[in-house]
Amino acid sequence: DAKTTQPTSMDCAEGRAANLPCNHSTISGNEYVYWYRQIHSQGPQYIIHGLKNNETNEMASLIITEDRKSSTLILPHATLRDTAVYYCIVRAAGGSQGNLIFGKGTKLSVKP
Amino acid sequence: GAVVSQHPSWVICKSGTSVKIECRSLDFQATTMFWYRQFPKQSLMLMATSNEGSKATYEQGVEKDKFLINHASLTLSTLTVTSAHPEDSSFYICSAGGGPLYGYTFGSGTRLTVV
Repeated sequence: DAKTTQPTSMDCAEGRAANLPCNHSTISGNEYVYWYRQIHSQGPQYIIHGLKNNETNEMASLIITEDRKSSTLILPHATLRDTAVYYCIVRAAGGSQGNLIFGKGTKLSVKP
Repeated sequence: GAVVSQHPSWVICKSGTSVKIECRSLDFQATTMFWYRQFPKQSLMLMATSNEGSKATYEQGVEKDKFLINHASLTLSTLTVTSAHPEDSSFYICSAGGGPLYGYTFGSGTRLTVV
């Protein structure tokens, strides 16, 4: 699986958009980009995933660059409850189910 | 959506005793479940892959005789920490789901403290 690089931490003002970057320059053609978050002392929560097109759901938007070497997770209106560690994971799809490999992630602090 | 229930949420046990943690998929069947461990201020580390009806696959450095995994049905996997010691104190998390195309669902985690 391709390796990802994320900033260690970020701050965001409540109500503003939070833009979390992720670099995955060695991503392969069949690998998806997944985003999860972990609120303190809880299990990770799935947010969104994509292959090459931008994706949006009720939680967030995922913007993937045309060369797929980087992506940005966007929380459009961050709230205090969005304070968490956000993980960007690259994983191949298809075949047998496999585990997710977590890096250090980005600790997002949403401030009032 | 898919729900994974993990029990207990927290447990305190004496050194030398065994502790069992349950992971259940509530509204779907999971032939494969994953067990992770997370130490304070660190990321999740995969311990083992639990396969229904067969032996679990352990990651390098994880003692299979210490961390017993049983996946006897399509909705239940258990992790038993045998002869627990204080260094086993950690946050244990299980996951299951529809596979890479649909994202994985995680349990709420179990905080184990060995005293």
